[in-house]
Amino acid sequence: QVQLVESGGGLVKPGGSLRLSCAASGFSVSDYYMTWIRQAPGKGLEWVSHISRSGDRIFYADSVKGRFIISRDNAKNSLFLQMNSLRAGDTAFYYCARDRDPTSSAREYEFWGQGTLVTVSP
Amino acid sequence: SYELTQPPSVSVSPGQTASISCSGDNLGQKYVSWYQQRPGQSPFLVIYEDVKRPSGIPERFSGSNSGNTATLSISGTHPMDEADYYCQAWDSSTVVFGGGTKLTVL
Repeated sequence: QVQLVESGGGLVKPGGSLRLSCAASGFSVSDYYMTWIRQAPGKGLEWVSHISRSGDRIFYADSVKGRFIISRDNAKNSLFLQMNSLRAGDTAFYYCARDRDPTSSAREYEFWGQGTLVTVSP
Repeated sequence: SYELTQPPSVSVSPGQTASISCSGDNLGQKYVSWYQQRPGQSPFLVIYEDVKRPSGIPERFSGSNSGNTATLSISGTHPMDEADYYCQAWDSSTVVFGGGTKLTVL
């Protein structure tokens, strides 16, 4: 069955970097749009970035543009998020999510990982 | 940038119908999805394409979307429906979530 497992979170100082990973099973990441979504503790959901099936369409939220990079390794069936120049406002649980339908033009997230916590603090 | 607005909280008595609104400019022109998130858990999809339910979601959950407002309705609410609910749409290749509504069943 479909499973998404995030890893790589932790405590980092402001200005530092982290690389999150999302290991997928039960499907191929190259067949779906894949997305990172975050949630600050006690707050709402915030879309961060997504990558298209072909990898040629990548979009970022304004809040992370120029600092975060989304990528995918089809051979490892994994999604990544390289986070640079981290700020306190980036503190959140980071979820990877998969689209419901690979052919749909709408972004609808039927499968989510359990999340990994990133804490940015001195 | 596009914004979706939800009421922070909604209360309902067990067995009654809960309605949670989500408003945005010309929202009726976009597909809206709804997610339920219980404390300590990841969100999961309960409505997509405005009105459709993924496999396994009870018929008690229904959606609508017209004009500037989408609505999630939960009929015959159970205590287990108590959770945060988020609407979501996408606009110009970016995705937007509403601020979330805490549904209390009391």
